[in-house]
Amino acid sequence: NAGVTQTPKFQVLKTGQSMTLQCAQDMNHNSMYWYRQDPGMGLRLIYYSASEGTTDKGEVPNGYNVSRLNKREFSLRLESAAPSQTSVYFCASSLLGPGTSLGEQFFGPGTRLTVL
Amino acid sequence: GEDVEQSLFLSVREGDSSVINCTYTDSSSTYLYWYKQEPGAGLQLLTYIFSNMDMKQDQRLTVLLNKKDKHLSLRIADTQTGDSAIYFCAETTLNSGNTPLVFGKGTRLSVIA
Repeated sequence: NAGVTQTPKFQVLKTGQSMTLQCAQDMNHNSMYWYRQDPGMGLRLIYYSASEGTTDKGEVPNGYNVSRLNKREFSLRLESAAPSQTSVYFCASSLLGPGTSLGEQFFGPGTRLTVL
Repeated sequence: GEDVEQSLFLSVREGDSSVINCTYTDSSSTYLYWYKQEPGAGLQLLTYIFSNMDMKQDQRLTVLLNKKDKHLSLRIADTQTGDSAIYFCAETTLNSGNTPLVFGKGTRLSVIA
């Protein structure tokens, strides 16, 4: 099992460019999440998908869109990148939703994004 | 909204015990988690505790939960240099709205040989 995989590992964009971060999990998990991690800020939830076919906004959704392509894949899109979106992005998945005994989240290795 | 607070830094000598503390505000928290992040890596779940428990032990790790004070701690016995990392406390509730899992900002543990 690869667990949660993310591509790319590193990316540099110019302001205004667009890109899609890919995430896939092979654990047959129902819920998937996108976080950003900034120094001194901890992890902040951008979007999540409680189950295939549903997506919901998290704490910091502005400037991002997501697609739950199927049960395995959950992508994050930046339509017009801004320097404020320079961050490390983590994808995570859990078998069931939060607040349940199987809600523990498993994280990918992260994508380090720099927007110039 | 819910908030989780941790001290930012902790330094201990190899072989000593480390205690990382966390406080949270949501009294309806159901599960509380400890994650470890090594440099350049994602977060790895270390352990978790259900809110009806006071203590959970797993090898060198002991988690203590004081629901009355909304205080969670992680004790690492016989701390090793490989334990150097950032440790995140996180909590979740049944009615979590748009913040399914609320993280603290992380405690950076440095282990001195």
